[in-house]
Amino acid sequence: QKEVEQDPGPLSVPEGAIVSLNCTYSNSAFQYFMWYRQYSRKGPELLMYTYSSGNKEDGRFTAQVDKSSKYISLFIRDSQPSDSATYLCAMKTLNSGGSNYKLTFGKGTLLTVNP
Amino acid sequence: NAGVTQTPKFQVLKTGQSMTLQCAQDMNHNSMYWYRQDPGMGLRLIYYSASEGTTDKGEVPNGYNVSRLNKREFSLRLESAAPSQTSVYFCASSERAPDYSNQPQHFGDGTRLSIL
Repeated sequence: QKEVEQDPGPLSVPEGAIVSLNCTYSNSAFQYFMWYRQYSRKGPELLMYTYSSGNKEDGRFTAQVDKSSKYISLFIRDSQPSDSATYLCAMKTLNSGGSNYKLTFGKGTLLTVNP
Repeated sequence: NAGVTQTPKFQVLKTGQSMTLQCAQDMNHNSMYWYRQDPGMGLRLIYYSASEGTTDKGEVPNGYNVSRLNKREFSLRLESAAPSQTSVYFCASSERAPDYSNQPQHFGDGTRLSIL
């Protein structure tokens, strides 16, 4: 089983739809959870960052973490054509006392929002 | 704001050639990273530099070398390119060392490298 699983899609929705993007993970040492957005031929950009279980909201975006189920989600409300991109989940352990760390990315979900 | 700048944006090499990918950041960040992104594989860490003067291996370091030239610049070298190194290479930086919890990484726009 891979450490982080993310459905690659593609996912196509009409403008205004609510989008749900998900990742599951197997490593219980992951403590920090991030969502990155990557437009075509661009680098990833950080969208949301969470630590604890629960919800975090930022405008139209809501990140949800359920550590007991090892499941994270990103919800996009009132989706816009400009939201069309690949969304990458990323997770991080913390190895205290050393310089090593582990940031693991999902493979990304390609989202298209149709006008 | 330039952020993280990578050069070149595109490159085609022949097997066995060498090449250095350049990366510079203007955010006064301490830590820098090199990733490769392949279809179906996601982003994988090649090397990182927690601070000026230090470098460490990531998940896929074989066939690569790095140099942290100064605080701003972190280069990735392919000594003898192989077709398996065809990929999109991303450089990233973060303000503090990677073992701190809440350090988002800022990415450049990538170098698309093809090796024939």
